[in-house]
This record gives sequence, structure tokens and C-alpha cells, in this order.
Amino acid sequence: EAGVVQSPRYKIIEKKQPVAFWCNPISGHNTLYWYRQNLGQGPELLIRYENEEAVDDSQLPKDRFSAERLKGVDSTLKIQPAELGDSAVYLCASSPGLSSGRAEELFFGEGSRLTVL
Amino acid sequence: GQNIDQPTEMTATEGAIVQINCTYQTSGFNGLFWYQQHAGEAPTFLSYNVLDGLEEKGRFSSFLSRSKGYSYLLLKELQMKDSASYLCAVRVIYNQGGKLIFGQGTELSVKP
Repeated sequence: EAGVVQSPRYKIIEKKQPVAFWCNPISGHNTLYWYRQNLGQGPELLIRYENEEAVDDSQLPKDRFSAERLKGVDSTLKIQPAELGDSAVYLCASSPGLSSGRAEELFFGEGSRLTVL
Repeated sequence: GQNIDQPTEMTATEGAIVQINCTYQTSGFNGLFWYQQHAGEAPTFLSYNVLDGLEEKGRFSSFLSRSKGYSYLLLKELQMKDSASYLCAVRVIYNQGGKLIFGQGTELSVKP
């Protein structure tokens, strides 16, 4: 079974430039998460999707960040314009969802490491 | 608010046993996870506790006390490859589903 796939793995941009990250979750997983992880810290939730609906985006800086999950499968996370403090690893994760009746283990992608200069 | 505490770093010797503690204060608690994360890699699932007690899986065991808001991860017969960050995460239920709230991670260094 293929895992969560993210791209790009690495991205270096100058501040004020836009950047986008893509995530393909595990097939059949209804729930998709975007987390941000700063160096030496645990992941922090940015947004959670249940199918195509964003049910929690309270931690997403909406002035510059946006996300979408068209058709309830792939998702993109965009930052425009990027700031120096956005340098971090952006992790996508998926899970079967509560309706599956399974323990909601999260499966993570390898992450997209962003460096803003 | 939600708060999860774990030590920032620990050091142990190859072949020894190490215990990594985690305390939490959360609302909507619905289980506690431990993840392992090697440098530059994604977190990978180690264990899950939703009831009080000990869950054993090979060299790794995890314990939960819900009344005390406390968990620990026990690693036996340490190997060099166990050097990694260990993330304690609490699952909370809200808004049609759940999410994991992570602690800052404990960086474990295993020495020869």
C-alpha cells in the first residue's frame, strides 16, 4: 500500500514569494491534516479536512495561508507571500477517520522542508 | 487549554532501558500516541493507549494513567538506531472527528 506522498521535498524561496505544497493521502483515508513542524518542536496542526470539508482551520494564518482539498482526495497548501518565520517542515498526514471504527492513527508523509531567505 | 510536557532530551547507553515520561492536560481526551521521528524523516507510529495500563510491543512498551494525565514510553535493550526524537501526542475529539496534539518531543541519544 502506498503511503502519504508529498511534494516537493525541499523548497528554497526568497521572502515575499509564493510557494505551494501538494499531498496525496493514503487511498480511502477520509481525514487529511496539514501540520507544521519547527526545528526541535513537535508538529502543530494547521488544518484538518474531513473529506473535502475543512472542519478545523483555526490555526491557519489566513492572511497568507490557504488550503484546498478538491474532490476529497489530494490537497494543496499555499503560502503567499512567504515570510522568514515560515521556514519549517510542512507535514501532511491522513487517517481513516472516526467513521471507519479504527483507532485514528495518523500516517505521515515525509514532509516538505521550506527555507525562506 | 491544551498542554503536553515531555523532557527535551535524554541520553542512555546501548543495551540499557530508558523511560520517557509525558504529562498532559487536555479536554476531549480520546487516547495517547507515541511516535518516533528520526532526523529529517516523518514521524512513525509506535504505540497507542486509550485505557489505563501497559501496552507491550516487542522492545517498546507504553503506559497510560488517565486519572493522572500521565504516560510513559519504555524502551528496552536499546540499540544505536533508537536514537531519535520521541513524540507524545494526545488525541482529542471535536468537530466531527479528532486531531493529535503533539508535545515538543524528547531527543534520545543512545551511546555505545
